[in-house]
Amino acid sequence: EPEVTQTPSHQVTQMGQEVILRCVPISNHLYFYWYRQILGQKVEFLVSFYNNEISEKSEIFDDQFSVERPDGSNFTLKIRSTKLEDSAMYFCASSDETGVRFTQYFGPGTRLTVL
Amino acid sequence: GIQVEQSPPDLILQEGANSTLRCNFSDSVNNLQWFHQNPWGQLINLFYIPSGTKQNGRLSATTVATERYSLLYISSSQTTDSGVYFCAVPLSYNTDKLIFGTGTRLQVFP
Repeated sequence: EPEVTQTPSHQVTQMGQEVILRCVPISNHLYFYWYRQILGQKVEFLVSFYNNEISEKSEIFDDQFSVERPDGSNFTLKIRSTKLEDSAMYFCASSDETGVRFTQYFGPGTRLTVL
Repeated sequence: GIQVEQSPPDLILQEGANSTLRCNFSDSVNNLQWFHQNPWGQLINLFYIPSGTKQNGRLSATTVATERYSLLYISSSQTTDSGVYFCAVPLSYNTDKLIFGTGTRLQVFP
């Protein structure tokens, strides 16, 4: 069964550094998402992406964050200057455009630790 | 916006027991998904179930959309079922933004 993959599984970085989290969505999917989960809290929506542009973003997704689909397979989340409070689990998800459009398939996550 | 509440918040079971987890939502939905977050933090898709009943092995789910709740049944629980179970629904009919519930933490002991 096709699945969403994410790399790395764990990233440790120093405050102020840039990080790029990578995702490979399911190949025929067209809608892409990032969510995050701070330790012990709920999973929160960050951004949705379709047709090479952001379709929706949350108030968390400020100017420090950006997303990109650099080629036909990868979907990335960049944090320009990490803060301690960016430490969280980041999940990528994708969905297709058929009748089950809203089924979002989640990747295993990248645990980001900012020191 | 829509509110999603899950109960119970915590559940402790012995291996072999059955359990029912509940997800209540405050508004009509056109989508509902159940997830299992394992002890390593990975989110695993369990069900896409906007209405009706589905079964997958020892797990089954039922959503009664008109009454705004969904149930996840786990039968003959195993230690590998431990983790946190989340339901999630779209914020509204015209958005893909999923709102996650508060979660049920399940611990299964041998």
